[in-house]
Amino acid sequence: DAKTTQPNSMESNEEEPVHLPCNHSTISGTDYIHWYRQLPSQGPEYVIHGLTSNVNNRMASLAIAEDRKSSTLILHRATLRDAAVYYCIPTTYNTDKLIFGTGTRLQVFP
Amino acid sequence: DSGVTQTPKHLITATGQRVTLRCSPRSGDLSVYWYQQSLDQGLQFLIQYYNGEERAKGNILERFSAQQFPDLHSELNLSSLELGDSALYFCASRALGQGNTEAFFGQGTRLTVV
Repeated sequence: DAKTTQPNSMESNEEEPVHLPCNHSTISGTDYIHWYRQLPSQGPEYVIHGLTSNVNNRMASLAIAEDRKSSTLILHRATLRDAAVYYCIPTTYNTDKLIFGTGTRLQVFP
Repeated sequence: DSGVTQTPKHLITATGQRVTLRCSPRSGDLSVYWYQQSLDQGLQFLIQYYNGEERAKGNILERFSAQQFPDLHSELNLSSLELGDSALYFCASRALGQGNTEAFFGQGTRLTVV
């Protein structure tokens, strides 16, 4: 299983962009990069995933480095509701293991 | 609403007892995952089933067991409960046994062992 490294915590002000980095230098060529987040007292929720190309959806954007050893989750305008723990999880196509690391706790200030 | 239903939402029981947690996956999802999250701790993967068969096992204690039934719902059985088993237990479901689909999580069962 590919190992990930994320900062323990990050801070942002409301309505500012947030860039959450993840290092996954041992990722294999067939691993998708998934991001989930867990709001306080809730179950995790899916944010976005990608393989090689950058991806956008209504929640966020995912920028994947050309060598795929790192990725960045981008929240374009942080809101108070985005305060959560964000997890970066490599997932192999042919299996569907979903192993959570320690994640990044994002604080958003008004 | 993720479409994944966990029951009960809360459970209080005494040490040494046995409990069963239930998870109903999203309609048609074949994979079910179980996780344990102790207070202010991370999500520990316990076990995964795919279409009724055990697919992967994590740090699941021998006192714990799980199964997935033909209708795809899953149960997690916890026996000889200890105070340290108090935690949130989450289940998740996923459509296929592939890494490019998203997983959906339930709201969890909060187990308190007294």
